[in-house]
Amino acid sequence: ILNVEQSPQSLHVQEGDSTNFTCSFPSSNFYALHWYRWETAKSPEALFVMTLNGDEKKKGRISATLNTKEGYSYLYIKGSQPEDSATYLCAFEAAGNKLTFGGGTRVLVKP
Amino acid sequence: DVKVTQSSRYLVKRTGEKVFLECVQDMDHENMFWYRQDPGLGLRLIYFSYDVKMKEKGDIPEGYSVSREKKERFSLILESASTNQTSMYLCASSPRIHEQYFGPGTRLTVT
Repeated sequence: ILNVEQSPQSLHVQEGDSTNFTCSFPSSNFYALHWYRWETAKSPEALFVMTLNGDEKKKGRISATLNTKEGYSYLYIKGSQPEDSATYLCAFEAAGNKLTFGGGTRVLVKP
Repeated sequence: DVKVTQSSRYLVKRTGEKVFLECVQDMDHENMFWYRQDPGLGLRLIYFSYDVKMKEKGDIPEGYSVSREKKERFSLILESASTNQTSMYLCASSPRIHEQYFGPGTRLTVT
């Protein structure tokens, strides 16, 4: 079983502050790294799929970077808003294989 | 819009009962997946299917079986439910291995 870790497990952010958190994954046999947002009582929603080392993706105030050589990805939230409160999941996709998820980072944005 | 539906949002069953969790997708996707989510453990893959009547074990298949008789429907079966199968169950589908679209989840409690 592949080891995909996210840290921290949870964090509290003041509204308006920026924050970031990490996903680490195996640096071998890499095919893609996925980020999902999972809000309470909703389905997980895909944010980004990243495939190339050095990739940077952005969606509104949320962005992500990818380093496949050292096996990590950062997710950034700029100017956090209460609607950003969710669990953020990363998932590692090995070549021709299924997704292995990390444990998630639970973000709570306080007004 | 891709739609993945699951038969129940909440389910309570007794130990030893046979439990069926149904998942239906409306986008003609080849691939379908069953995960369970437990606090701090992220999503763990139980079984997946790349085609009708085809199934493969995921990381934690013990105590579960699956059925895919039609392309749009993927069923998860707990032959004899046990309390350690109390969990959130998520179904997903994808047109190819990259993008997975999730259902809303079924929270199963086994008493």
